[in-house]
Amino acid sequence: DVKVTQSSRYLVKRTGEKVFLECVQDMDHENMFWYRQDPGLGLRLIYFSYDVKMKEKGDIPEGYSVSREKKERFSLILESASTNQTSMYLCASTLGVNTGELFFGEGSRLTVL
Amino acid sequence: AQSVTQLDSQVPVFEEAPVELRCNYSSSVSVYLFWYVQYPNQGLQLLLKYLSGSTLVKGINGFEAEFNKSQTSFHLRKPSVHISDTAEYFCAVSDPGGYQKVTFGTGTKLQVIP
Repeated sequence: DVKVTQSSRYLVKRTGEKVFLECVQDMDHENMFWYRQDPGLGLRLIYFSYDVKMKEKGDIPEGYSVSREKKERFSLILESASTNQTSMYLCASTLGVNTGELFFGEGSRLTVL
Repeated sequence: AQSVTQLDSQVPVFEEAPVELRCNYSSSVSVYLFWYVQYPNQGLQLLLKYLSGSTLVKGINGFEAEFNKSQTSFHLRKPSVHISDTAEYFCAVSDPGGYQKVTFGTGTKLQVIP
């Protein structure tokens, strides 16, 4: 089975702190994604990556950056956390072939105080 | 840009009753369509997908969906729900080409009442 692991399930940070959210997948998937989930808004794409060291902006990239130094790992970085970044963050991956099916981690719930 | 509309934010239904969760998408070109389910405190998992072929798609846990191109709809159905079906359901769409960027709807919370 494909496994997508997010390093932290729950985090509490203070405004202005730098935050790292880590995601690792074990199935050699080409594409990896970071979504943010908020009540009533569904999932919104922050960034995605289709190869090592490659990244593309999603629909809401402002305030975020990403890093993909190895194929299996995709990190989301909040350079200076703000209260409006309190949310559930979901990492996902998919094969490079055209199936469109995403495999999700269990999510990281971030609270910024 | 593609968009997905899930008009019902919450759907209460009695156990063993049928349910339909509605989904409409905006794209007029070829699309891939998906339904994902999210149980409390978990990530999303795929229920079913439409890539091509038969417009009636069967998924896990007794769910099915019908692709209707003329109405740009992909409604999810189950003839008899169980308590364990209580969850949030997301409809999603992607382009057949490109980097498989998937656009999600806002979700529908299904509450099964004993």
